Amino acid sequence: EVQLVESGGGLVQPGGSLRLSCAASGFTFSTYEMTWVRQAPGKGLEWVSYISSSGTTIQYADSVKGRFTISRDNAKNSLYLEMNSLRAEDTAVYYCAREDIEGQDIWGQGTMVTVST
Amino acid sequence: EIVMTQSPATLSVSPGERATLSCRASQSVSSNLAWYQQKPGQAPRLLIYGASIRATGIPARFSGSGSGTEFTLTISILQSEDFAVYYCQQYENWYSFGQGTKLEIK
Repeated sequence: EVQLVESGGGLVQPGGSLRLSCAASGFTFSTYEMTWVRQAPGKGLEWVSYISSSGTTIQYADSVKGRFTISRDNAKNSLYLEMNSLRAEDTAVYYCAREDIEGQDIWGQGTMVTVST
Repeated sequence: EIVMTQSPATLSVSPGERATLSCRASQSVSSNLAWYQQKPGQAPRLLIYGASIRATGIPARFSGSGSGTEFTLTISILQSEDFAVYYCQQYENWYSFGQGTKLEIK
């Protein structure tokens, strides 16, 4: 079964850090581009970051540029999002998604990040 | 940044009827437009890509049209499972989503 499973979310204080992981299974992870998308409580979807299949091309939304770092380990079939200098407005469910020629065709179930004192 | 604007914010339609959702881009995105469906507590689901191509497994009652800056998602005969929030997304210049249209039962 093709699957993405996020982990690493939780409660963190403003200014703190968190590392999210996304474990892929059921497909050849190393051949797919990947993205992170987030959704604040009761709000819409916001694209966060993109990484190419080899990891050589990376892009971020302006709202997280300089604070978040996307990476991947193709040997471990895993995608990561390192989040630093977290703010209250980063509170959201974070989804990883597979990029296919059709679009973002496979999504994980999401992991909740809460930034609060 | 390309800004995507969806209308209406909420659409009330009866089962069996047709629903038409709109999405406008602040600049041309050619046909680089996708539609997603999201139900409460679930991840988004890809419906349409390339503005008009149904994703794998998507029923034929879902159709997309448009190019440039104006796009439409049509659900021809609404089923109970179609009531959800729908998002458009451009991938002409990286990615950005519209704010969503909530399709509710009338």
